[in-house]
Amino acid sequence: SQKIEQNSEALNIQEGKTATLTCNYTNYSPAYLQWYRQDPGRGPVFLLLIRENEKEKRKERLKVTFDTTLKQSLFHITASQPADSATYLCALVPADRGSTLGRLYFGRGTQLTVWP
Amino acid sequence: KAGVTQTPRYLIKTRGQQVTLSCSPISGHRSVSWYQQTPGQGLQFLFEYFSETQRNKGNFPGRFSGRQFSNSRSEMNVSTLELGDSALYLCASSSNPGLALYEQFFGPGTRLTVL
Repeated sequence: SQKIEQNSEALNIQEGKTATLTCNYTNYSPAYLQWYRQDPGRGPVFLLLIRENEKEKRKERLKVTFDTTLKQSLFHITASQPADSATYLCALVPADRGSTLGRLYFGRGTQLTVWP
Repeated sequence: KAGVTQTPRYLIKTRGQQVTLSCSPISGHRSVSWYQQTPGQGLQFLFEYFSETQRNKGNFPGRFSGRQFSNSRSEMNVSTLELGDSALYLCASSSNPGLALYEQFFGPGTRLTVL
């Protein structure tokens, strides 16, 4: 069955450090991988998307890598701030879109806490 | 553009009752997906509608149903509520997943509590 794992349920780091979150998947041939941020009581908010033929994507302090050989994506937040504290979700878009229209496969998320 | 809106935001029901949740997508978006989020299972896909047609369905019992109207607004219905249906129900809209990059815009969710 399809499975997406995020390395840990919680990650605590000090302000200014780089946070690295991991997303591993099995039994997929993903076309895209996305990362979302979710704050308590709110819906997820899209952050970044990376295609299967891309190795790395950056947006301001965010960086995503995608290794289809390892079946893994890494999500980095550099110079982290307390305002970055949230749950981060990875989501896959399988290559076989015909059977998965409108559907994202989500990991269960990693709760990041950045302390001052 | 206004974001995705969901009503109601909070709902308390008792076992055996039924409930209807509503979602208004971003203007111009024709695809609406529904997810159930619980601490134990995370985000689980319920179904997706595009132009009033259900195109995809997750592994939920038939008690969960939905529909989409001509203005792209969508409703989901849960009949014969069970305690395990307590969850945050999220609606997400997209312009057209078949062509676009699948970025989904989520609403704030409806928190359903079943007593």
